[in-house]
Amino acid sequence: NAGVTQTPKFRILKIGQSMTLQCTQDMNHNYMYWYRQDPGMGLKLIYYSVGAGITDKGEVPNGYNVSRSTTEDFPLRLELAAPSQTSVYFCASTLPDGYGSNEQFFGPGTRLTVL
Amino acid sequence: DAKTTQPPSMDCAEGRAANLPCNHSTISGNEYVYWYRQIHSQGPQYIIHGLKNNETNEMASLIITEDRKSSTLILPHATLRDTAVYYCIVRTGTGTASKLTFGTGTRLQVTL
Repeated sequence: NAGVTQTPKFRILKIGQSMTLQCTQDMNHNYMYWYRQDPGMGLKLIYYSVGAGITDKGEVPNGYNVSRSTTEDFPLRLELAAPSQTSVYFCASTLPDGYGSNEQFFGPGTRLTVL
Repeated sequence: DAKTTQPPSMDCAEGRAANLPCNHSTISGNEYVYWYRQIHSQGPQYIIHGLKNNETNEMASLIITEDRKSSTLILPHATLRDTAVYYCIVRTGTGTASKLTFGTGTRLQVTL
């Protein structure tokens, strides 16, 4: 299994541009998450999904959108990039509550800079 | 979810045990203690979790006090590759979509 994969690894955007961060998992996990991590800080939850067609806001959803059309994919969309969205973005997945350890498996991250 | 308090940084000599403390004095009866670590700029990695009993796996041991208000993660023989930020997280077991709330963690530096 490849686990959780994210593309791209790095990206530089200009203010006002848009982009989609891709996330795919091959572990048949129902739950998926998007986090952002600013320098020296812990991760903050942006959006999450408990299954295809179901998404919900996390702690810092403003400026982002998500969709979940399949179990495997959970893309994160930035519509109008702002310097405040400069961060490292991590995608993660896990099984539902009550299944195993509920550990979250994280992707390698996407480092985004908005200039 | 209950808030956790961890020291910002700790040092440990290679080969010695690293004991990382965590306070979670407002933990509820149905909340688990989870530990993750983040090596450099990689995605966080799950280490171990527990409810009230001590737990051990191939990576570490987790000691939870009887009143469950604090816990200690033990890396029995720390190596340079254990240098990382360690996060102690408390979360409920069900009904929360397994969401995690990360603090700023403890930066563990393992030295020769």
